[in-house]
Amino acid sequence: DAMVIQNPRYQVTQFGKPVTLSCSQTLNHNVMYWYQQKSSQAPKLLFHYYDKDFNNEADTPDNFQSRRPNTSFCFLDIRSPGLGDAAMYLCATTDRDSGNQPQHFGDGTRLSIL
Amino acid sequence: QKEVEQDPGPLSVPEGAIVSLNCTYSNSAFQYFMWYRQYSRKGPELLMYTYSSGNKEDGRFTAQVDKSSKYISLFIRDSQPSDSATYLCATGGSGSEKLVFGKGMKLTVNP
Repeated sequence: DAMVIQNPRYQVTQFGKPVTLSCSQTLNHNVMYWYQQKSSQAPKLLFHYYDKDFNNEADTPDNFQSRRPNTSFCFLDIRSPGLGDAAMYLCATTDRDSGNQPQHFGDGTRLSIL
Repeated sequence: QKEVEQDPGPLSVPEGAIVSLNCTYSNSAFQYFMWYRQYSRKGPELLMYTYSSGNKEDGRFTAQVDKSSKYISLFIRDSQPSDSATYLCATGGSGSEKLVFGKGMKLTVNP
């Protein structure tokens, strides 16, 4: 059973048109992450939430925002997508309060920009 | 120097071969180590997780950590075409929520 679910699997948007990617989890984990992964590269952390505390990476562009309305859901908003934002976006979760636990990933949303 | 260096690929082997995948890391604060397998157009799937030096075995897979030399390895015995994927090593520090990933090694097992 899928535990970290990302929707949609594939998203096509136009240059400059806002887009929202969603992630839900059934693990009740308190940390949720968003990564960007481009072809043949390692996942790059954009930001993460520990409960409601938002932690942005220093090099994440302002164009990327996130919302976490509750434990189960987290959204990635790209306000004005550029061609360079075409990538796979991965959501991951972990339970920080259980010690050093691994992260569990969803299958990603592949974003294309026209 | 990058925090995690992973052997460059791609790697192509015949079915049944023993595969060795390797990473080195530079930060002695890293305390736990993972290997993820990522099939094409899918998310990374946790394959092995270890917190200490030594070997951890799970079926055909063995993860090896040597903290003294900051070296981590994944061995795949009797490799199968279904093992064809990209393998990512990852590591993190105690109390840290973040992981540092290697760049990934694309493995192809030929029938």
